[in-house]
Amino acid sequence: EVVLTQSPATLSLSPGDTATLSCRASQSINTYLAWYQQRPGQAPRLLIYDSSNRAPGIPARFSGRGSGTDFTLTISSLEPEDFAVYYCQQRFNWPHSFPFGPGTKVDIK
Amino acid sequence: QLQLQESGPRLVKPSETLSLTCAVSGGTVTNSGYYWAWIRQPPGKGPEWIASIYYTGSSYYNPSLRSRVAISVDTSSDLFFLRLRSVTAADTAVYYCARQEALVSFYFDYWGQGTLATVSS
Repeated sequence: EVVLTQSPATLSLSPGDTATLSCRASQSINTYLAWYQQRPGQAPRLLIYDSSNRAPGIPARFSGRGSGTDFTLTISSLEPEDFAVYYCQQRFNWPHSFPFGPGTKVDIK
Repeated sequence: QLQLQESGPRLVKPSETLSLTCAVSGGTVTNSGYYWAWIRQPPGKGPEWIASIYYTGSSYYNPSLRSRVAISVDTSSDLFFLRLRSVTAADTAVYYCARQEALVSFYFDYWGQGTLATVSS
């Protein structure tokens, strides 16, 4: 099974900063990776699918890139509502498994 | 606007069965472009996919839960269901229902608000 790791576990930044989050797969997953945002007390929200495609309604300050084993989510000019936990998820093995990563918390410095 | 709403008991005793319902509104479970899924999230942990079902009844399960889980759908009422047998404290989690794109990306694009199910005697 492909295992996802995310780094860092916590990222402390200020509004207006740029956040760079990493997700690494234990083996190549092509571009089959999504990113979700979860604010406290809310359900996760799909941000990016298949590495670099923004989901409908997602602001342009969110961008994703990567292929194979290394992926990055970049949030340009952090807004107050962007301070949240971010999870990656891979679909390479769907429907046999569909795991999420452990998450990166972006908090206010 | 599509909405999903989970319902079910908030407290379940160990060894019993957790039964949850997801009501879909603003859309229909018979839309051929989507699966309907259950995902759970233990307190302080990341999400875990449990199972997905197509309106025809075709279903897929997380191998780690497959022996205890059943997912089903009622197309006449736009409802789908989760049953998790022989629960333990490790099954305590927020349970979400979600819509899953079925043609290209397979990710979860609409989620319910979630319902916390606690396993305790």
